[in-house]
Order: sequence, then structure tokens, then C-alpha cells
Amino acid sequence: DAGITQSPRHKVTETGTPVTLRCHQTENHRYMYWYRQDPGHGLRLIHYSYGVKDTDKGEVSDGYSVSRSKTEDFLLTLESATSSQTSVYFCAISEIAGAVSGNTIYFGEGSWLTVV
Amino acid sequence: SQQGEEDPQALSIQEGENATMNCSYKTSINNLQWYRQNSGRGLVHLILIRSNEREKHSGRLRVTLDTSKKSSSLLITASRAADTASYFCATVDQGGKLIFGQGTELSVKP
Repeated sequence: DAGITQSPRHKVTETGTPVTLRCHQTENHRYMYWYRQDPGHGLRLIHYSYGVKDTDKGEVSDGYSVSRSKTEDFLLTLESATSSQTSVYFCAISEIAGAVSGNTIYFGEGSWLTVV
Repeated sequence: SQQGEEDPQALSIQEGENATMNCSYKTSINNLQWYRQNSGRGLVHLILIRSNEREKHSGRLRVTLDTSKKSSSLLITASRAADTASYFCATVDQGGKLIFGQGTELSVKP
């Protein structure tokens, strides 16, 4: 298994509170991603990073921000959590951009977030 | 919006049978990948097929790609109960963005 650790693995929070999810990797991969998984939607990309302090938006970035101050850590922050952000969040890493030319993306085990 | 759409959404078969899942997509791709997800776990990469390839094998897995029809299929031969999982196709566009379909839930009964 790729060395990806997500924390917390489970969290229940109240509407309006800030929440930060952490992804830590030990593979020294350049690219890191945050996805959310919801029934009927598969996995959708929230934000990704292509290097320290280099990030970009995915298809469902509204309400989320990210930061990457070190190669190994990629943080996802919900500034003011809403019930629509109840989901399973997956971090992923890859050595080179996306999955072009056969590069594999490795996924973490997921963080279950419930906003009540 | 979803790029890959999988069919069927759910599939139930007996151990030893073959399982076929299909994926359709809309735009030009660099490659297409299949992933597996066991309940409560992360996704695991199974196989990748490039846009200039038509068929690829890996153990009991066979993937085909028809770029003219913008479709792919994943065949699992001689299925086992341990193959029970959700299977996702994901397309990679020329910019490297990976977009997932909604998945097929496969149940293999012993």
C-alpha cells in the first residue's frame, strides 16, 4: 500500500464550523488530490496540488480551500461546513500529472465527514 | 459532470461466472483506467489502457477500449466471492485530469 494517511478518519461536526482534513504521504510524490465521494456521483475532484504552494481547483471546489506547505502534507479546509458537505473524502497522490502516460494514482483510506 | 458512465449500476453473479462492466465517456481521452473499491476502503488501481490500445489483460481481468464508440469494458473471468466490490472507470484527458464514473457494484455469491 502507498504511504498515505488521512486524518481524521471519522468526524462529526456542526453546521457553520470550520473543518480541516489532513493528508500525509511518505512517497515524496509531487501531485496530491482531494476527492469527495457521494452516492450517484462517483468521485469528484475538489482541489489538487502539483507542488509545494501550487494548487488548483477541481470540479467541485466551492466551499473548500487547500494548502500545501510541505511535499508530504495536503490540507483540505471547509471554511464553514454545510450539510451538503457531508461526504467521504479521499486523498490521492501521483508521481506525475494526473494519470497521463500510465502513471498510477494511489488513494488513501478516506475520511468520513458528517455535518449536522 | 461525469465523464465516465458505467453500466450496469449493480451486477449480481455466482462464483465462477464471468462479470462484464461497461463504461462510456464523452470526450477525447489520453487513457482510461479501472479501479476497485471494497466497502469502506479507498480505491485501488486495477488496469490502464491507453487510447491507442484496443485490449489489455491482467490476470483474470480483460479490458477493451473502443475509441470510436467512446466505450470500454472490464471483464472479470471466473469470478470469486472476493471480487465483490465496486468498480469504477476513470478517464484521463490530455491535460491529465482524472474523472470517475459512478461505478458498478458487483456482488459475487459463493
